[in-house]
Amino acid sequence: QLQLQESGPGLVKPSETLSLTCTVSGGSISSSSYYWGWIRQPPGKGLEWIGSIYYSGSTYYNPSLKSRVTISVDTSKNQFSLKLSSVTAADTAVYYCARYIIAAANYYYYGMDVWGQGTTVTVSS
Amino acid sequence: EIVLTQSPGTLSLSPGERATLSCRASQSVSSSYLAWYQQKPGQAPRLLIYGASSRATGIPDRFSGSGSGTDFTLTISRLEPEDFAVYYCQQYGSSPSLTFGQGTRLEIK
Repeated sequence: QLQLQESGPGLVKPSETLSLTCTVSGGSISSSSYYWGWIRQPPGKGLEWIGSIYYSGSTYYNPSLKSRVTISVDTSKNQFSLKLSSVTAADTAVYYCARYIIAAANYYYYGMDVWGQGTTVTVSS
Repeated sequence: EIVLTQSPGTLSLSPGERATLSCRASQSVSSSYLAWYQQKPGQAPRLLIYGASSRATGIPDRFSGSGSGTDFTLTISRLEPEDFAVYYCQQYGSSPSLTFGQGTRLEIK
C-alpha cells in the first residue's frame, strides 16, 4: 500500500526558504503515469496546489507561486522535495504531498488518490 | 486560469437527508478532469469522485457525481453522520495545472 510522509522544519523565519521532503513508501516514485504534487492549506482556509513533478524531472507550478517554488525528485531515495523561498506569514499552512495519476494513453485524470498526513509549517521570527 | 466556485458555502442538513453540492467553472472543463474530495478536521483530503462521476476505490455508492461543461454536482443520497465535512471540487487543466474550489462545509442541522 502506497504511503506518503512529509518531513521538514515546522518553523521557518520570514524571508528564509521553506524546505520539505515527501518520502514515498510501498511503491516506486518512478512508475509511469504517476505524478507527485504539493498542496497547502492555510489555517481555516481551503486547499491550494503549489506544484507537481514527474519522475523524469518535469515540473509544473502554480503561476501565483512559480517565482518562489522549486520542486525536485530523487528517485534513488524515492523522495520528492519542495523549496519555497522568501517566505512570509502568508505561507504558514499545513503542507501536503500527494500522488495523482494521468493515463498516458488518453490523458485521463484519476485524481489525487494518495495523500500524506500533512505537516504544519509556521513562518515566524 | 479556470476558477471553480462552489455553492453553497455552508449546507446545513440532517442525517438521512439528501445533499446537493455545486461546483461551477469559469470556463468549460472536460469531465475527465473534474474531481471531488472530502476533508474532515485534522485530516488530509480524501478522493471521492474522479472523471466527474466515477467513484474512487472504497467510496460508498451514496456518493455520486454528475455534470459537464461548467456545472458539476456532488450528491450524497442519504447523509450518514460521518459525511459531515468539507467538500472540495478540483480540476486538472492545461499548462498543466490544478485548481481547487473554495469548499462547501456540510454541517449537521
